Amino acid sequence: NAGVTQTPKFQVLKTGQSMTLQCAQDMNHNSMYWYRQDPGMGLRLIYYSASEGTTDKGEVPNGYNVSRLNKREFSLRLESAAPSQTSVYFCASSPRETSGSTGELFFGEGSRLTVL
Amino acid sequence: QKEVEQNSGPLSVPEGAIASLNCTYSDRGSQSFFWYRQYSGKSPELIMFIYSNGDKEDGRFTAQLNKASQYVSLLIRDSQPSDSATYLCAVKGSNYKLTFGKGTLLTVNP
Repeated sequence: NAGVTQTPKFQVLKTGQSMTLQCAQDMNHNSMYWYRQDPGMGLRLIYYSASEGTTDKGEVPNGYNVSRLNKREFSLRLESAAPSQTSVYFCASSPRETSGSTGELFFGEGSRLTVL
Repeated sequence: QKEVEQNSGPLSVPEGAIASLNCTYSDRGSQSFFWYRQYSGKSPELIMFIYSNGDKEDGRFTAQLNKASQYVSLLIRDSQPSDSATYLCAVKGSNYKLTFGKGTLLTVNP
C-alpha cells in the first residue's frame, strides 16, 4: 500500500520555467491538498480539492494552478517559476474535508524544488 | 487571519524527562486540535488529536486542551532520543480549515 506518492522528489528549475508536481493516492480518499513548507513559516496551504471535480484556493495560491485529474490524482503546476517558489512541497489526502473529518492528513514524502 | 502560535524552540530535554510543547490559537470557534510529528527530512504524521476540554492520553503522549484560554499542549513522558523531531500544532477553525503552527523543534539528549 503506497499511500500518497509524489513525483519528482527533487527538481531544479531556472526562473521562468514551468513544471508540474504529480500526486497520487491509493486510499480512496475524497480530499487532497498541496502544501508548501519553508523554514520558519510552517506548512501553508496552496490549493485543495474537497472532492473530485472541485478545487479551491488556500492561503498562498498565487503563482500556482492545480488539476484534480480524477479521485486519485491531484497535480500542482508552476507556470513561470520564481525563486520565491523554492520550497518543499507536500501533497496530502484525507477521507473527508468536512467538519466530521478527524483532521488526519496523510502526507506524501515531499518534493524539494529549487528555483535559480 | 486564523493564527496558531508555537514556540519555535529548540526545546532540549534529557532522556527520561517530560517534554512540554505548547500552542495557542486565535479562532475562538475552533473545535478540533491536532499534533503532528515531523522528523528531519520527512513528512508530518498525526500523533494525537483532541476535541474536548481536558486531557487525552495515548501511551507516553498526553494532549491537553483549554478552550477558554485558547491553549493546547502536548506532554511527552519518559522522553526518548527517538522523540527528537519538530512537533506541529494544527487547529481546525470555525471555517473547517486546518491551520498549522510553525512547529517546535524538540531535542532529547541521551
